[in-house]
Amino acid sequence: QVQLVQSGAEVKKSGASVKVSCKASGYTFYSNGITWVRQAPGQGLEWMGWISPYNGNTNYAQKFQGRVTMTTDTSTNTAYMELRSLRSDDTAVYFCARGARPIDYWGQGTLVTVSS
Amino acid sequence: EIIMTQSPATLSVSPGESATLSCRASQSVGDNLAWYQQKPGQAPRLLIYGASTRATGIPARFSGSGSGTQFTLTISSLQSEDFAAYYCHQYNNWPALTFGPGTKVDIK
Repeated sequence: QVQLVQSGAEVKKSGASVKVSCKASGYTFYSNGITWVRQAPGQGLEWMGWISPYNGNTNYAQKFQGRVTMTTDTSTNTAYMELRSLRSDDTAVYFCARGARPIDYWGQGTLVTVSS
Repeated sequence: EIIMTQSPATLSVSPGESATLSCRASQSVGDNLAWYQQKPGQAPRLLIYGASTRATGIPARFSGSGSGTQFTLTISSLQSEDFAAYYCHQYNNWPALTFGPGTKVDIK
């Protein structure tokens, strides 16, 4: 069965960077893109961007351009999302998910807490 | 950016009753619209894609309709496990994909 398993919770200082991993199994990794979505506490879902494990192509939401980098490692079927220059309003649960149109399977989420 | 709105923000329903959730897009998204269910502390789960196609394993009491800018998710005969938040999501305007703010369905 399709599974996306994410890395554990992180606590970071303002201005630091965080890198979240997402290990996929149960399907052919390079045949579907990986989308990243975040959810601030008590808030809705926010699309951050997408990466193709097949060729590394990325598309980022304009809001995160210049601050986010999404990568994949096809040797370990793992996707990564790095967010830099963290601010307090980046505190959120970050989800990886398979696909984009539509997103079908989701990881369990990774809580990133940014403190000053 | 396409703005998605959902109504109502909260819907109180008794078990066994039906619920109708609305989603509107600020411009046409065709039928490139999905619905997700999210329970507290869990990841979203895909219910409907292509505006009206149920995802694998989703019970028939969930149905989606609409196209263009107006969409509806109907849950007939609500079960206890259906009380959750529901989000619509447009994936037409690549790469600026957006979600609605959600509708919370709670027990009346």
